[in-house]
Amino acid sequence: DAGVIQSPRHEVTEMGQEVTLRCKPISGHNSLFWYRQTMMRGLELLIYFNNNVPIDDSGMPEDRFSAKMPNASFSTLKIQPSEPRDSAVYFCASSFAGGSYEQYFGPGTRLTVT
Amino acid sequence: SQQGEEDPQALSIQEGENATMNCSYKTSINNLQWYRQNSGRGLVHLILIRSNEREKHSGRLRVTLDTSKKSSSLLITASRAADTASYFCATDSNGGGADGLTFGKGTHLIIQP
Repeated sequence: DAGVIQSPRHEVTEMGQEVTLRCKPISGHNSLFWYRQTMMRGLELLIYFNNNVPIDDSGMPEDRFSAKMPNASFSTLKIQPSEPRDSAVYFCASSFAGGSYEQYFGPGTRLTVT
Repeated sequence: SQQGEEDPQALSIQEGENATMNCSYKTSINNLQWYRQNSGRGLVHLILIRSNEREKHSGRLRVTLDTSKKSSSLLITASRAADTASYFCATDSNGGGADGLTFGKGTHLIIQP
């Protein structure tokens, strides 16, 4: 199994631009999570989906952030417009609800907004 | 918001020694998990302990949980250079594997060869 796949691995963009991060969960997993990691705030849960349905988006910082999961094998996290304070590493993770509770993390996308 | 708080924030020990990290949390939980993160990488699940368990072992790892004190500890015995990483505790308040985790800020462990 290839594990959770995220793209791009690195993204550098200018303030005001739209950014789209992509995630492919592990096949067969039915829960998907988006986290953000910064030095100041640590790891924060942004949003998660069960069976492609958003369950809790209370961690999404602002309306500039949106996430979708159109099918079981793909999710996107979009920031529009981006701001320098959005600079962080964004992780996607997946798990099998009702299984071992273990979450499998992707390698992350390092976003830098200048 | 951060539920778990690990201490120490950083720990440096000699190879072969034992490393102990602690985690405190604020709300009731269904389970507590420990993850490792190597520099520049994603997190890797190490071990899970359920709220009705007090101690769990996995290889060189030993985890304890005290729900009355809302605290957990992770012990790594006979440390190796490859154990150098950041270690995070994470709590799952609802269980079922379908809910997001709340992570602490982590302990950065350095194993000196």
